[in-house]
Amino acid sequence: ETGVTQTPRHLVMGMTNKKSLKCEQHLGHNAMYWYKQSAKKPLELMFVYNFKEQTENNSVPSRFSPECPNSSHLFLHLHTLQPEDSALYLCASSEQNGYTFGSGTRLTVV
Amino acid sequence: AQSVTQLGSHVSVSEGALVLLRCNYSSSVPPYLFWYVQYPNQGLQLLLKYTTGATLVKGINGFEAEFKKSETSFHLTKPSAHMSDAAEYFCAVISMDSSYKLIFGSGTRLLVRP
Repeated sequence: ETGVTQTPRHLVMGMTNKKSLKCEQHLGHNAMYWYKQSAKKPLELMFVYNFKEQTENNSVPSRFSPECPNSSHLFLHLHTLQPEDSALYLCASSEQNGYTFGSGTRLTVV
Repeated sequence: AQSVTQLGSHVSVSEGALVLLRCNYSSSVPPYLFWYVQYPNQGLQLLLKYTTGATLVKGINGFEAEFKKSETSFHLTKPSAHMSDAAEYFCAVISMDSSYKLIFGSGTRLLVRP
């Protein structure tokens, strides 16, 4: 347990489904992030939230919709995904001297 | 802008041999540097970090790294590899603009042969 908890650990969804990924941290960090890790590709930063406000969206398709209701929780809402969206989705939180990552959600889109 | 280059997508060593994973960075300001390890189907675990102070940094599991400003390097080493060290290793630098983003290298997969 790293202090950042992601649920579910595994998710299989059809292209017409709507699902949500959840991330929770109680480390007192004020910044939270979503990363995407695809096979044979570098880690891609998707979204950045600072003090609940989105400060960065790295040209992520609108079928991914983040939500940050408070500094401890971060969601990633998914709808009408494509098979190429299958990946490991990692959540992280940070303080000045480093990041803490969750264990990730392995998403498979069928 | 900061960036990170990891030389070698795969490194193979024998059990008991020295582990050396290379990382070079580009930064116009003093960097904060990190090494993370990722085991299969897991998230990223912090091995060690350099922010300020001593340039030789010791981390978990017997790993260490040395910040060399003149070479813009932050190579990761371990004197004697263990089978359990087989994993993917990521070097990263924190962007010093207002975003405070963590910028990753492409990763190096370490294989340990019996």
